[in-house]
Amino acid sequence: AQTVTQSQPEMSVQEAETVTLSCTYDTSENNYYLFWYKQPPSRQMILVIRQEAYKQQNATENRFSVNFQKAAKSFSLKISDSQLGDTAMYFCAFMKDDQGGKLIFGQGTELSVKP
Amino acid sequence: DAGITQSPRHKVTETGTPVTLRCHQTENHRYMYWYRQDPGHGLRLIHYSYGVKDTDKGEVSDGYSVSRSKTEDFLLTLESATSSQTSVYFCAISETRTGSIHEQYFGPGTRLTVT
Repeated sequence: AQTVTQSQPEMSVQEAETVTLSCTYDTSENNYYLFWYKQPPSRQMILVIRQEAYKQQNATENRFSVNFQKAAKSFSLKISDSQLGDTAMYFCAFMKDDQGGKLIFGQGTELSVKP
Repeated sequence: DAGITQSPRHKVTETGTPVTLRCHQTENHRYMYWYRQDPGHGLRLIHYSYGVKDTDKGEVSDGYSVSRSKTEDFLLTLESATSSQTSVYFCAISETRTGSIHEQYFGPGTRLTVT
């Protein structure tokens, strides 16, 4: 069975600085997808970024980028130029490349951006 | 934003009563999912559907049943609610037109309290 671990329950960062959120996963699969979701206080789940395991290039979306280390089974999220609106719970998630598309989530990291 | 609504958004019920939560989508997506969110656990899959009348269990399916009689509606039923089912419930949908399953889009969530 696959597992996803986020070892940082809470983090804080000053506005305009850079922060990295950690995620590790365990799987015997070779083909899979990894995601970061953001959940602000509104409770809405928002997809931030995705990574296909077969791609060596790290995904980027504006101020958000990932460091995907397949051999180490590590998938960290870097937020550059942090903004107050980045304050949220962040979830790392894993999906096997098969029919069903079931997501397995980590426990979450609560990020606070301070002015 | 994907057209996903959940009803009700909040519900308080008593132990032993039946409860049905509804997820409605306007995107004509094939896959639909029910997750529950609890502190310290992230989101966990309850059941999912891969088409009308086609459903399967997730990792925390005990005490829950689902039905999908139309593409747009996915119902989650707690036959006899227990206090351990107090949680926030999220519905999600997924697009498969490209032949593979990638991003899931989430509804706004339903907060259920069982007293």
